[in-house]
Amino acid sequence: LAKTTQPISMDSYEGQEVNITCSHNNIATNDYITWYQQFPSQGPRFIIQGYKTKVTNEVASLFIPADRKSSTLSLPRVSLSDTAVYYCLVGARNQAGTALIFGKGTTLSVSS
Amino acid sequence: NAGVTQTPKFRVLKTGQSMTLLCAQDMNHEYMYWYRQDPGMGLRLIHYSVGEGTTAKGEVPDGYNVSRLKKQNFLLGLESAAPSQTSVYFCASSSGTGAYEQYFGPGTRLTVT
Repeated sequence: LAKTTQPISMDSYEGQEVNITCSHNNIATNDYITWYQQFPSQGPRFIIQGYKTKVTNEVASLFIPADRKSSTLSLPRVSLSDTAVYYCLVGARNQAGTALIFGKGTTLSVSS
Repeated sequence: NAGVTQTPKFRVLKTGQSMTLLCAQDMNHEYMYWYRQDPGMGLRLIHYSVGEGTTAKGEVPDGYNVSRLKKQNFLLGLESAAPSQTSVYFCASSSGTGAYEQYFGPGTRLTVT
């Protein structure tokens, strides 16, 4: 499984755009990039997943450059409720015996 | 549709005692997982299952056993609890293994004294 590296913490203010970058230098050809969000005392929640270029859903965008060695989760106009820990994961789909390895995540703190 | 539920939510055990954590999902998912989360360590996979009647070891399986007798249930057992097993335990399920969206339960906070 590809190892990921992401910042331990980030600070932002309400209304700003937040970009969290994850590096995964040894990503494999069939690996996908997935981001989860976790609030205190709750289980992680799936945010977005992508393979290449750009993916956008109702809560975030995921930018993946051509070499796929890094990815950036973009949260538009954050609010206080976006304060959480964000995990970047890399792994293949339906590879026998494969399960996701969660790293330590990025703690995002949003202030007013 | 309850998603993934975990029982109990909290538990305090004495060293050497045993207990079973129950995870149930109503999404008809084939794959189920047990993780533990400790401060500063992120989530670590204990055991997982790729279908009814199957189990496999994850990253930190020692001291735990699991069973998947029914597709919707995944049990995590501690035969002889140790203080090092004090943690928050999360169960998850998904329709595929690996990079498929995992749905997590609310967690069980276990303290071993």
